[in-house]
Amino acid sequence: AQSVTQLDSHVSVSEGTPVLLRCNYSSSYSPSLFWYVQHPNKGLQLLLKYTSAATLVKGINGFEAEFKKSETSFHLTKPSAHMSDAAEYFCIVSGGNQGGKLIFGQGTELSVKP
Amino acid sequence: DVKVTQSSRYLVKRTGEKVFLECVQDMDHENMFWYRQDPGLGLRLIYFSYDVKMKEKGDIPEGYSVSREKKERFSLILESASTNQTSMYLCASTLGGAPLEPQHFGDGTRLSIL
Repeated sequence: AQSVTQLDSHVSVSEGTPVLLRCNYSSSYSPSLFWYVQHPNKGLQLLLKYTSAATLVKGINGFEAEFKKSETSFHLTKPSAHMSDAAEYFCIVSGGNQGGKLIFGQGTELSVKP
Repeated sequence: DVKVTQSSRYLVKRTGEKVFLECVQDMDHENMFWYRQDPGLGLRLIYFSYDVKMKEKGDIPEGYSVSREKKERFSLILESASTNQTSMYLCASTLGGAPLEPQHFGDGTRLSIL
Protein backbone atom coordinates (compact mmCIF):
# COMPACT_ATOMS: atom_id res chain seq x y z
CA ALA A 1 0.00 0.00 0.00
CA GLN A 2 1.09 3.54 -0.60
CA SER A 3 0.64 6.62 1.53
CA VAL A 4 1.99 10.12 1.82
CA THR A 5 2.29 12.34 4.90
CA GLN A 6 2.87 16.05 4.87
CA LEU A 7 4.39 16.78 8.23
CA ASP A 8 3.17 20.36 8.63
CA SER A 9 -0.35 21.58 8.00
CA HIS A 10 0.80 25.21 8.05
CA VAL A 11 4.18 26.88 7.51
CA SER A 12 4.84 30.59 7.88
CA VAL A 13 8.00 32.31 6.57
CA SER A 14 9.14 35.85 5.95
CA GLU A 15 9.67 37.11 2.43
CA GLY A 16 13.24 36.42 1.29
CA THR A 17 13.82 33.54 3.71
CA PRO A 18 14.06 29.84 2.75
CA VAL A 19 11.04 27.61 2.43
CA LEU A 20 10.94 23.96 3.55
CA LEU A 21 7.78 21.89 3.15
CA ARG A 22 8.17 18.34 4.39
CA CYS A 23 6.77 15.17 2.85
CA ASN A 24 7.30 11.52 3.71
CA TYR A 25 5.94 8.66 1.65
CA SER A 26 5.41 4.95 1.93
CA SER A 27 5.52 2.74 -1.13
CA SER A 28 6.07 -0.92 -1.82
CA TYR A 29 7.86 -0.14 -5.07
CA SER A 30 9.70 2.71 -6.69
CA PRO A 31 7.25 5.59 -6.61
CA SER A 32 6.54 8.56 -8.79
CA LEU A 33 6.23 11.67 -6.65
CA PHE A 34 4.79 15.08 -7.42
CA TRP A 35 4.42 18.45 -5.77
CA TYR A 36 1.47 20.59 -6.78
CA VAL A 37 0.51 24.11 -5.75
CA GLN A 38 -3.01 25.48 -5.35
CA HIS A 39 -3.67 29.20 -5.17
CA PRO A 40 -6.99 30.37 -3.69
CA ASN A 41 -10.01 29.36 -5.77
CA LYS A 42 -7.84 27.75 -8.42
CA GLY A 43 -7.05 24.23 -9.50
CA LEU A 44 -3.83 22.40 -8.77
CA GLN A 45 -0.74 23.28 -10.79
CA LEU A 46 2.22 20.94 -11.16
CA LEU A 47 5.41 22.28 -9.55
CA LEU A 48 7.69 19.32 -10.19
CA LYS A 49 7.81 15.55 -10.48
CA TYR A 50 10.22 12.77 -9.58
CA THR A 51 10.28 9.73 -11.84
CA SER A 52 13.62 8.10 -10.90
CA ALA A 53 15.78 9.96 -13.42
CA ALA A 54 17.52 12.21 -10.87
CA THR A 55 17.13 12.54 -7.12
CA LEU A 56 17.24 16.36 -7.14
CA VAL A 57 14.34 17.69 -9.14
CA LYS A 58 13.99 21.29 -10.21
CA GLY A 59 10.57 22.74 -10.79
CA ILE A 60 8.92 25.99 -11.69
CA ASN A 61 9.19 29.28 -9.78
CA GLY A 62 12.53 28.35 -8.17
CA PHE A 63 11.25 25.32 -6.25
CA GLU A 64 13.13 22.06 -6.01
CA ALA A 65 12.76 18.77 -4.19
CA GLU A 66 15.15 15.98 -3.26
CA PHE A 67 14.14 12.34 -3.30
CA LYS A 68 15.80 10.48 -0.40
CA LYS A 69 15.02 6.81 -0.53
CA SER A 70 16.75 6.01 2.76
CA GLU A 71 14.56 8.56 4.55
CA THR A 72 11.46 7.98 2.36
CA SER A 73 11.24 11.74 2.00
CA PHE A 74 10.55 14.20 -0.78
CA HIS A 75 10.82 17.63 0.82
CA LEU A 76 10.12 20.79 -1.18
CA THR A 77 12.47 23.75 -0.85
CA LYS A 78 12.99 27.24 -2.20
CA PRO A 79 15.96 29.45 -1.28
CA SER A 80 14.00 32.69 -1.01
CA ALA A 81 10.25 33.03 -0.49
CA HIS A 82 8.19 35.50 -2.45
CA MET A 83 4.80 36.87 -1.49
CA SER A 84 3.29 35.14 -4.52
CA ASP A 85 4.35 31.76 -3.10
CA ALA A 86 1.57 31.94 -0.49
CA ALA A 87 -0.68 29.01 -1.38
CA GLU A 88 -1.46 25.42 -0.45
CA TYR A 89 1.03 22.74 -1.47
CA PHE A 90 0.29 19.07 -2.01
CA CYS A 91 2.73 16.19 -2.01
CA ILE A 92 1.40 13.32 -4.10
CA VAL A 93 2.49 9.80 -4.93
CA SER A 94 1.31 8.04 -8.04
CA GLY A 95 -0.57 4.84 -7.50
CA GLY A 96 1.59 3.28 -10.18
CA ASN A 97 -1.36 1.71 -11.94
CA GLN A 98 -2.66 2.58 -15.34
CA GLY A 99 -3.97 6.08 -15.54
CA GLY A 100 -1.86 7.54 -12.78
CA LYS A 101 -4.35 7.38 -9.94
CA LEU A 102 -2.96 9.69 -7.27
CA ILE A 103 -2.59 9.45 -3.52
CA PHE A 104 -2.68 12.90 -1.93
CA GLY A 105 -1.08 14.31 1.16
CA GLN A 106 -3.28 16.49 3.33
CA GLY A 107 -1.67 19.68 2.11
CA THR A 108 0.54 22.35 3.68
CA GLU A 109 -0.58 25.94 3.70
CA LEU A 110 2.32 28.33 3.17
CA SER A 111 2.02 31.89 4.47
CA VAL A 112 4.60 34.51 3.49
CA LYS A 113 4.97 37.58 5.69
CA PRO A 114 6.29 40.89 4.31
CA ASP B 1 -0.57 23.50 -22.90
CA VAL B 2 -3.24 21.15 -21.66
CA LYS B 3 -6.48 22.87 -20.92
CA VAL B 4 -9.03 21.36 -18.56
CA THR B 5 -12.18 23.45 -18.45
CA GLN B 6 -14.92 23.16 -15.89
CA SER B 7 -18.15 24.73 -17.05
CA SER B 8 -18.99 26.65 -13.87
CA ARG B 9 -16.76 28.31 -11.27
CA TYR B 10 -19.60 28.78 -8.79
CA LEU B 11 -22.92 26.98 -8.60
CA VAL B 12 -25.82 27.19 -6.14
CA LYS B 13 -28.47 24.47 -6.13
CA ARG B 14 -31.24 23.28 -3.85
CA THR B 15 -31.55 20.04 -1.90
CA GLY B 16 -33.05 17.27 -4.02
CA GLU B 17 -32.10 18.79 -7.36
CA LYS B 18 -30.23 16.80 -9.98
CA VAL B 19 -26.94 18.59 -10.60
CA PHE B 20 -24.55 18.24 -13.53
CA LEU B 21 -20.92 19.33 -13.38
CA GLU B 22 -19.16 19.36 -16.73
CA CYS B 23 -15.49 18.98 -17.54
CA VAL B 24 -13.79 19.17 -20.95
CA GLN B 25 -10.13 18.59 -21.82
CA ASP B 26 -8.49 19.48 -25.12
CA MET B 27 -5.46 17.16 -25.21
CA ASP B 28 -7.03 13.85 -26.23
CA HIS B 29 -6.33 12.37 -22.80
CA GLU B 30 -7.74 8.94 -22.10
CA ASN B 31 -8.03 9.30 -18.33
CA MET B 32 -10.26 11.70 -16.49
CA PHE B 33 -10.96 12.13 -12.78
CA TRP B 34 -13.40 13.85 -10.46
CA TYR B 35 -12.35 14.91 -6.95
CA ARG B 36 -13.95 16.83 -4.16
CA GLN B 37 -11.90 19.02 -1.86
CA ASP B 38 -12.94 19.83 1.70
CA PRO B 39 -11.07 21.65 4.47
CA GLY B 40 -9.17 19.20 6.65
CA LEU B 41 -9.93 16.27 4.35
CA GLY B 42 -7.81 17.17 1.34
CA LEU B 43 -8.73 15.85 -2.10
CA ARG B 44 -10.78 12.69 -2.37
CA LEU B 45 -11.40 10.75 -5.56
CA ILE B 46 -15.05 10.32 -6.51
CA TYR B 47 -14.94 8.59 -9.89
CA PHE B 48 -12.52 8.16 -12.75
CA SER B 49 -12.62 6.95 -16.32
CA TYR B 50 -10.00 5.26 -18.48
CA ASP B 51 -11.89 5.49 -21.73
CA VAL B 52 -15.15 6.48 -23.32
CA LYS B 53 -18.13 4.80 -21.66
CA MET B 54 -15.86 3.36 -18.96
CA LYS B 55 -16.01 4.39 -15.32
CA GLU B 56 -14.49 3.26 -12.07
CA LYS B 57 -15.51 4.12 -8.53
CA GLY B 58 -13.07 6.10 -6.50
CA ASP B 59 -12.94 6.41 -2.72
CA ILE B 60 -16.26 8.22 -2.18
CA PRO B 61 -18.71 7.43 -5.02
CA GLU B 62 -21.89 7.37 -2.93
CA GLY B 63 -24.46 9.90 -4.09
CA TYR B 64 -22.66 10.52 -7.39
CA SER B 65 -22.61 9.10 -10.88
CA VAL B 66 -20.61 9.98 -13.99
CA SER B 67 -20.97 9.97 -17.74
CA ARG B 68 -18.29 9.76 -20.43
CA GLU B 69 -19.98 9.69 -23.83
CA LYS B 70 -17.11 11.47 -25.60
CA LYS B 71 -13.40 11.24 -24.93
CA GLU B 72 -13.00 14.92 -24.13
CA ARG B 73 -15.95 15.28 -21.77
CA PHE B 74 -16.48 13.82 -18.29
CA SER B 75 -19.62 14.74 -16.39
CA LEU B 76 -20.27 14.38 -12.69
CA ILE B 77 -23.90 13.95 -11.67
CA LEU B 78 -25.40 14.48 -8.25
CA GLU B 79 -28.57 12.42 -8.52
CA SER B 80 -30.35 14.16 -5.64
CA ALA B 81 -28.23 16.90 -4.15
CA SER B 82 -27.81 17.08 -0.40
CA THR B 83 -26.22 19.72 1.82
CA ASN B 84 -23.26 17.44 2.63
CA GLN B 85 -22.28 17.63 -1.04
CA THR B 86 -21.46 21.31 -0.70
CA SER B 87 -17.79 21.34 -1.68
CA MET B 88 -15.15 22.32 -4.19
CA TYR B 89 -15.13 19.88 -7.13
CA LEU B 90 -12.02 19.43 -9.25
CA CYS B 91 -11.69 17.65 -12.57
CA ALA B 92 -8.37 16.32 -13.90
CA SER B 93 -7.06 14.45 -16.91
CA THR B 94 -3.92 12.56 -17.90
CA LEU B 95 -2.56 10.40 -20.70
CA GLY B 96 -3.64 6.79 -20.74
CA GLY B 97 -1.12 4.03 -20.01
CA ALA B 98 1.30 6.57 -18.63
CA PRO B 99 1.37 6.38 -14.84
CA LEU B 100 4.36 8.72 -14.69
CA GLU B 101 2.49 11.54 -16.36
CA PRO B 102 1.09 14.20 -14.05
CA GLN B 103 -2.59 15.01 -13.90
CA HIS B 104 -3.77 18.32 -15.26
CA PHE B 105 -6.47 20.04 -13.21
CA GLY B 106 -9.28 22.42 -13.99
CA ASP B 107 -9.89 25.51 -11.85
CA GLY B 108 -12.68 23.85 -9.90
CA THR B 109 -16.39 24.34 -9.33
CA ARG B 110 -17.45 25.61 -5.93
CA LEU B 111 -20.86 24.03 -5.38
CA SER B 112 -23.26 25.11 -2.65
CA ILE B 113 -26.35 23.05 -1.87
CA LEU B 114 -28.99 24.99 0.06
